[in-house]
Amino acid sequence: DIVLTQSPALAVSLGQRATISCKTNQNVDYYGNSYMHWYQQKPGQQPKLLIYLASNLASGIPARFSGRGSGTDFTLTIDPVEADDTATYYCQQSRNLPWTFGGGTKLELK
Amino acid sequence: EVQLVESGGGLVQPGSSLKLSCVASGFTFSSYNMHWIRQAPKKGLEWIALIYYDSSNKYYADSVKGRFTISRDNSKNTLYLEMNSLRSEDTAMYYCAKSGTTRGDFDYWGQGVMVTVSS
Repeated sequence: DIVLTQSPALAVSLGQRATISCKTNQNVDYYGNSYMHWYQQKPGQQPKLLIYLASNLASGIPARFSGRGSGTDFTLTIDPVEADDTATYYCQQSRNLPWTFGGGTKLELK
Repeated sequence: EVQLVESGGGLVQPGSSLKLSCVASGFTFSSYNMHWIRQAPKKGLEWIALIYYDSSNKYYADSVKGRFTISRDNSKNTLYLEMNSLRSEDTAMYYCAKSGTTRGDFDYWGQGVMVTVSS
């Protein structure tokens, strides 16, 4: 199985940039696409897709969110951070079954 | 508007069975692969099952293989998860999710249904 590793928590100030990382133990690239996706989950809610294929913004997601990376190293950036962005963020790979998620990064405000 | 509404959860004893349903609306259900994903209390997300749009293929996580069965009825726009031989470690919120075409992401999620396995 592909293992995805995220830092457990990150604290940033309002209006600053938040960078959340996700590292995989296997390459998730295939024929020019990186099969890495990002989700936001607020307490008591279902996850919401933010970014698909590493860098594509999902429908309705503000441009403050962006994703980049390839191979085994990926980042989700939120710039600028707003109060409503406090949540847990998960990366997920779909290069190989079983699809797997990172452990999640909880974003908090300083 | 895409909607996924799960039902069928509850409190059950170890070793028992339960069947979850997920009714879909707002998109052509029969054209999309569908998934079940679960989240144990205070834990992360775990993908557990995938069914192709035409039921031609089904895949499972090792943790549920042989005990859980995913199925769908395209005439009823409904996805199912039949769970047998339930264990305490199956206690979780269960989400159905729509596949984002062939990308492998989950572009829409239901609100989830809680399954608690306890004596």
